[in-house]
Amino acid sequence: KQEVTQIPAALSVPEGENLVLNCSFTDSAIYNLQWFRQDPGKGLTSLLLIQSSQREQTSGRLNASLDKSSGRSTLYIAASQPGDSATYLCAVKNTGFQKLVFGTGTRLLVSP
Amino acid sequence: SAVISQKPSRDICQRGTSLTIQCQVDSQVTMMFWYRQQPGQSLTLIATANQGSEATYESGFVIDKFPISRPNLTFSTLTVSNMSPEDSSIYLCSVNFRQQLNTEAFFGQGTRLTVV
Repeated sequence: KQEVTQIPAALSVPEGENLVLNCSFTDSAIYNLQWFRQDPGKGLTSLLLIQSSQREQTSGRLNASLDKSSGRSTLYIAASQPGDSATYLCAVKNTGFQKLVFGTGTRLLVSP
Repeated sequence: SAVISQKPSRDICQRGTSLTIQCQVDSQVTMMFWYRQQPGQSLTLIATANQGSEATYESGFVIDKFPISRPNLTFSTLTVSNMSPEDSSIYLCSVNFRQQLNTEAFFGQGTRLTVV
């Protein structure tokens, strides 16, 4: 059974810092891994999708990496801003399944 | 990406009643997914809804409690039946806009349900 873990559970940084969020998963037989952002009480916004054959994806100040063999992904946020404050979720899609298995999230607070 | 609209965005309901949540997509999709996010927890899949067939439920979720309709390729409803305070959660619908298994998932804005 796939299990997804995110570390740290919460992170508080001053504006301008670069930061790394971590995601690990137990079963490396995945189609892809997706990073989402969730604002309090709201739905999910897709940030980046990494296919199992890819090593990284970039979008603006965000860079996500994937090491499938070790079951790890990182989300790097450059030059953080207060507007980046949200919960960040990673989710994996296992081979042969359509559903996503989610991690528990990292709650990020960026202070001005 | 297309637009996924959920209604209502939030509701406060009495225990013992039922609430139907709607999910409308502005393009046709084969599969729609319903997730639950309990307070302080991550998302868990309730069921997968295919047009023209019965929904497929995950372990721990049953049709009597969470009946789902999928009348066409752009619309689905999830009903939370005979509610109790433990059903207080955010309910989210999700779609993939292409049938391939490795495509990106998109989510509606969620329905925040409080049962009192």
